[in-house]
Amino acid sequence: EVLLVESGGGLVQPWGSLRLSCAASGFTFSSHWMSWVRQAPGKGLEWVANINQGGSEKYYVDSVKGRFTISRDNAKNSLYLQLNNLRAEDTAMYYCARDHVVPGVIWDYWGQGTLVTVSS
Amino acid sequence: DIQMTQSPSTLSASVGDRVTITCRASQGLSSSLAWYQQKPGKAPNLLIYKASTLESGVPSRFSGSGSGTEFTLTISRLQPDDFATYYCKQYNSNSALTFGGGTKVEIK
Repeated sequence: EVLLVESGGGLVQPWGSLRLSCAASGFTFSSHWMSWVRQAPGKGLEWVANINQGGSEKYYVDSVKGRFTISRDNAKNSLYLQLNNLRAEDTAMYYCARDHVVPGVIWDYWGQGTLVTVSS
Repeated sequence: DIQMTQSPSTLSASVGDRVTITCRASQGLSSSLAWYQQKPGKAPNLLIYKASTLESGVPSRFSGSGSGTEFTLTISRLQPDDFATYYCKQYNSNSALTFGGGTKVEIK
């Protein structure tokens, strides 16, 4: 069974940092692109970042470029998102998602999410 | 970036109704469009990709159509489990992915 479990969320002050983790199991982690997607309270979905199988390609939504860093450790079957210089507008549920085997960034499995709250 | 405009934002319907949601892209996507369903407090669930390919395990009452800049998601006969929010998402480029604003399907 494919399982994605996020952790690391919490309450952080503006300008603070957090590191989110996503533990993957039930599939060959190193064979899939992975993504982070977020959802502000009561709002829609927003793609944040994605990373290829080996970690050599990384892409970000403009609003987080230079502040967030996506990475992965295939030996540990884990995906990460380092969040720096956090702003109130980064408050959201953060989901990790697995890319489908078919071509294209299509997410067939999602974690349950981890909540990040940025507030003083 | 490609902008996705989804309509309507809210839809009131009854069990058994045929429901159609539209998604328009600001530029052509070929068929690089997916639909997701999200229920309150839960992660999204993939329904359709490549505009019209039904994901494994998704009921056949869901269907997708369109190409280029206009796409539709149709639920042929609405079931109680289908009351949820639906999002389209374009994936024309790996580096700039965008969602529509969502359509909440409510009980009439």
